[in-house]
Amino acid sequence: AQKVTQTQTSISVMEKTTVTMDCVYETRDSSYFLFWYKQTASGEIVFLIRQDSYKKENATEGHYSLNFQKPKSSIGLIITATQIEDSAVYFCAMRERNNNNAPRFGAGTKLSVKP
Amino acid sequence: GGIITQTPKFLIGQEGQKLTLKCQQNFNHDTMYWYRQDSGKGLRLIYYSITENDLQKGDLSEGYDASREKKSSFSLTVTSAQKNEMAVFLCASSISGQNQDTQYFGPGTRLLVL
Repeated sequence: AQKVTQTQTSISVMEKTTVTMDCVYETRDSSYFLFWYKQTASGEIVFLIRQDSYKKENATEGHYSLNFQKPKSSIGLIITATQIEDSAVYFCAMRERNNNNAPRFGAGTKLSVKP
Repeated sequence: GGIITQTPKFLIGQEGQKLTLKCQQNFNHDTMYWYRQDSGKGLRLIYYSITENDLQKGDLSEGYDASREKKSSFSLTVTSAQKNEMAVFLCASSISGQNQDTQYFGPGTRLLVL
C-alpha cells in the first residue's frame, strides 16, 4: 500500500533564507511519480514540481528544487531565497506507475515566511 | 491552458439532505478526482474516475456517490448530509502521458450543514 508522510506540521523562516520540507513515502512499485503542491491562504492548490522515480537528477523549477533520495524513500522540497508569498501549506504526493491508483497525499507542512 | 470550475462555490444544506456538487474541466483530461479537506487538514480521496463512466472508490467513499457521464464533468453527491459538517470539496483532473498524473485543482466547494 502506498503511504506519504510529512512529519513537519509547520515551519517558520525569515525571508530570503532557504528552507527544506521533508517527505517520505512507502511503495512496493519500482516506478512512481512524486509531486509537490502549494495551497495558498485562499485555498487554491497549484502544482509546483515533480520527480519521476527513474530519473536520478533532482528536478528544479525556478526557486524550487527537490532532494530525491531513493534509497531512503525521501523527496524533500527546497525553496531558496524565500519570499513572503511563499507562505502557504505544501503537500507532497506520490502516484505509483503500474496501477490505476490515485495519487496519495501527505498531511501537509505549513510554511510561514517572516520579513 | 485550461480551467476547472466547481459549482456551487458555497453550499449550505440541512441535516439528512442529499447534496450534489459539480465539476467541469476543459483540459480534455482523462482522470478526475474528488477530495475532501477539513479545516487545517490534508486531502482525503473520495472518488476518482479514469475515464468516462468509470468510478473508483477512494478512502472516504462511504456516504458519497459520484457520476462521470461525460469526459469533461464529474459530479459528487453527499447522500445524507451530517449535522454541523463543514468541509471543502476539491475537484481535480489529470492527463495520462508525458506529464502523467500532474493534477490541476478547482477552487473548491465549501459545504456547511446546519
